[in-house]
Amino acid sequence: DSGVTQTPKHLITATGQRVTLRCSPRSGDLSVYWYQQSLDQGLQFLIQYYNGEERAKGNILERFSAQQFPDLHSELNLSSLELGDSALYFCASSVAAGGSSQETQYFGPGTRLLVL
Amino acid sequence: AQTVTQSQPEMSVQEAETVTLSCTYDTSENNYYLFWYKQPPSRQMILVIRQEAYKQQNATENRFSVNFQKAAKSFSLKISDSQLGDTAMYFCAFGYGNEKLTFGTGTRLTIIP
Repeated sequence: DSGVTQTPKHLITATGQRVTLRCSPRSGDLSVYWYQQSLDQGLQFLIQYYNGEERAKGNILERFSAQQFPDLHSELNLSSLELGDSALYFCASSVAAGGSSQETQYFGPGTRLLVL
Repeated sequence: AQTVTQSQPEMSVQEAETVTLSCTYDTSENNYYLFWYKQPPSRQMILVIRQEAYKQQNATENRFSVNFQKAAKSFSLKISDSQLGDTAMYFCAFGYGNEKLTFGTGTRLTIIP
């Protein structure tokens, strides 16, 4: 158990709908990262938050948005869903942001999204 | 931008044997970090091992060790005395400055009983 929690574990929805994925980081971690893993592919970085502020953006669609709340949990909102959005969405957390070091990122169990 | 390449899409090995997974990367940074993550059928991403680029000594975690060749930008993972529970996808990843991790496309490893 990494200490990172994600809900829900599975989500089935229809095209055009909107869903919210939730992530709680490990205790003490200030950075939250979101990644998308499509079928049999590597992980693609979507967005990073550090202590409530957006820090970096990757290949995140305009239909997707995220935020990190004062209690440090984060939510990823996916709207106008398309079939191609079906994927496994991971949240990861680490202690720090910036600097020359690289703290280990610990991953949650993921949310499996299926868009029908 | 950094890139990570895993040239072995699939590998298989007999139980108890040793297997080496390859990873190469490209970066202009000097102080970076490299990781191997394991993704078993449960799809959970599990950290296997971590290497700091400024350290010359190769990292080791029990049966898992790396061969880090900084000049060649190579970072291979050796699994000794392989076990059935090692069956998984293995991803090599590059990290710098507590930013995103850049992942390779993965190697699917099957341990044969």
